[in-house]
Amino acid sequence: NAGVMQNPRHLVRRRGQEARLRCSPMKGHSHVYWYRQLPEEGLKFMVYLQKENIIDESGMPKERFSAEFPKEGPSILRIQQVVRGDSAAYFCASSLNRELNTEAFFGQGTRLTVV
Amino acid sequence: GESVGLHLPTLSVQEGDNSIINCAYSNSASDYFIWYKQESGKGPQFIIDIRSNMDKRQGQRVTVLLNKTVKHLSLQIAATQPGDSAVYFCAETYGNNRLAFGKGNQVVVIP
Repeated sequence: NAGVMQNPRHLVRRRGQEARLRCSPMKGHSHVYWYRQLPEEGLKFMVYLQKENIIDESGMPKERFSAEFPKEGPSILRIQQVVRGDSAAYFCASSLNRELNTEAFFGQGTRLTVV
Repeated sequence: GESVGLHLPTLSVQEGDNSIINCAYSNSASDYFIWYKQESGKGPQFIIDIRSNMDKRQGQRVTVLLNKTVKHLSLQIAATQPGDSAVYFCAETYGNNRLAFGKGNQVVVIP
């Protein structure tokens, strides 16, 4: 079984461009979470999605950020008009179900650098 | 907003010794806790979990202790090895299954 797959691993964007980060969950997992990590910081929750639904986006900035998890294909985290402060590592995790005691498996992350 | 990055608390431990990493969690309603290990350039890797109806759980070379009275979690690593060098995060879960992470502790194993 492949784990959580994220691509690209590294992404460089100029200020004002768009960044698209992809996450394919583990096989059979229908719950996806996106986290952001700044250097020497913990992971900060951004958004929780199920197939075709956003369940909790309370950690995601209201402007420029959006996320989707379509019926077919990977989950996408989209950042429009990127700024230097968006530079961070973005991690995706997936879990099997919504139970409160379910382990979430993480991908290797996408490191976004805005120049 | 995001805080300015700070140097992580660092635990230096001699190879073969035991390590203890501590974590204070924030929400008394949290009922599931996980310790993750993160090596440089990689994603968090699950180590061990514990539910709030337990106060101790053991895995292979690792033990997690939970003190709900003072909202404290600890991870004990027995016979620390060079491969244990990493940043360790505790995480708690409440509501909607999302995990809230602590700031992390750097463990450096001295050969």
